[in-house]
Amino acid sequence: GESVGLHLPTLSVQEGDNSIINCAYSNSASDYFIWYKQESGKGPQFIIDIRSNMDKRQGQRVTVLLNKTVKHLSLQIAATQPGDSAVYFCAEGDFTGTASKLTFGTGTRLQVTL
Amino acid sequence: AAGVIQSPRHLIKEKRETATLKCYPIPRHDTVYWYQQGPGQDPQFLISFYEKMQSDKGSIPDRFSAQQFSDYHSELNMSSLELGDSALYFCASSSYYHPGDWGHEQYFGPGTRLTVT
Repeated sequence: GESVGLHLPTLSVQEGDNSIINCAYSNSASDYFIWYKQESGKGPQFIIDIRSNMDKRQGQRVTVLLNKTVKHLSLQIAATQPGDSAVYFCAEGDFTGTASKLTFGTGTRLQVTL
Repeated sequence: AAGVIQSPRHLIKEKRETATLKCYPIPRHDTVYWYQQGPGQDPQFLISFYEKMQSDKGSIPDRFSAQQFSDYHSELNMSSLELGDSALYFCASSSYYHPGDWGHEQYFGPGTRLTVT
C-alpha cells in the first residue's frame, strides 16, 4: 500500500509505554482542533477533537491537551499498542457557515516496538 | 457502517491527459470535501460542497474543477495533468453543521492514488 509520510518526524515507543505527539498550530482563531490517524494506504481516521475554549479532553486511551498561549496541541496515547503505529496529524478546524475547513499540520510517524 | 467510497482507487495517466475522480459520501451526509496529499505531505484542502453548491475553496488549481450532484456524490475533474499532480486524493464527507454543535467531524474515504507519467 501507499507509504505516507516518507520524511516525517518519527517517534519510537515501546509497547505498553505512553506516547506523546506534539503539534504547533498557526491560527489562534481556529474553532477546534482534531487529531487524525493515518495508516498506510488509508484515509485519515478521526481520533479526538477539542474545542478552542477547552484545555483538555479525554477519550478512550487518548488525551488531547491544548495550550493556546503557545499555540501547542498534544496527543497522549496511554499503553501504546502495535496497532497504534501510524502517521498522526493534527488539524485546525474552522466552521465556515454550513461546513468546516481543516488545515492539517505536519504529521508524525509513531512506531511501536515490541 | 457505510463509509465514504472513492473510485477509482488507483489511476495512471500521462501528462496533459484528463482524469475524473469520484466520491460517494456516507448516506445522509450532504457535504463533501476534496484533499490532495503529496508524498510525505499533509493533506491540503482543495474544495468543498454543501447541497450541490461550492462551500469553500482552497488551493485548487484552475485546471481542476469539481461539482456535487443531486445524489450528493461528487466528482473532481483534472485536466492538463502535470507530473506534480501525482498524489493521493481524498474525499471526506460530513453532515450539516449546526451552530452550537460540539464539533464537525469529517469522515475520510480511502483515497485515489493518481500517478502522472
